[in-house]
Amino acid sequence: GAVVSQHPSWVICKSGTSVKIECRSLDFQATTMFWYRQFPKQSLMLMATSNEGSKATYEQGVEKDKFLINHASLTLSTLTVTSAHPEDSSFYICSAESKLTDTQYFGPGTRLTVL
Amino acid sequence: QKEVEQDPGPLSVPEGAIVSLNCTYSNSAFQYFMWYRQYSRKGPELLMYTYSSGNKEDGRFTAQVDKSSKYISLFIRDSQPSDSATYLCAMRKGSGNTPLVFGKGTRLSVIA
Repeated sequence: GAVVSQHPSWVICKSGTSVKIECRSLDFQATTMFWYRQFPKQSLMLMATSNEGSKATYEQGVEKDKFLINHASLTLSTLTVTSAHPEDSSFYICSAESKLTDTQYFGPGTRLTVL
Repeated sequence: QKEVEQDPGPLSVPEGAIVSLNCTYSNSAFQYFMWYRQYSRKGPELLMYTYSSGNKEDGRFTAQVDKSSKYISLFIRDSQPSDSATYLCAMRKGSGNTPLVFGKGTRLSVIA
């Protein structure tokens, strides 16, 4: 089946620093990747849609200058949380759309804790 | 009213029981329906994907869609302790590259 990886799986950082999270589709090409955030006992909230080679589309209320998304290739998208603050602590999950199956496959998630 | 409503539970059942999980939605533009299973601190795993009204079966899982009532269900037969997880319904308006809208998720515990 289609596999999506994320790195790192967890990260702890100090307030004010930047953190980069990678999302890779391992065995398929993904022209579109999505980034979600999930708080404890809450559902997934879409942050942005990322298309290869173009600017990401952000959902209302998501600061594009704070959450930088780059989708440089058909198998890699990155999310950089800039100047992280404790309220950014959350579970960040990416998904990649497979053109073959018209289905989104999710990564295992990255747990970010900002001290 | 939220676009997708799902009872968060928790739902607790004995091993071997039939589990019924449901979602309702308000926007008739949704055409594609999915069920994901999410274990604690893991990413969601796709269980079922349907795009027409009716039933779709895969092993112990049956997905049911009723577009006229805007209601979808997931049935789990012969439930096992390993089925204990959060089940998320999701739907989208178009195929290909359109965002998913998720329900809140229902937390299921299957007791041995």
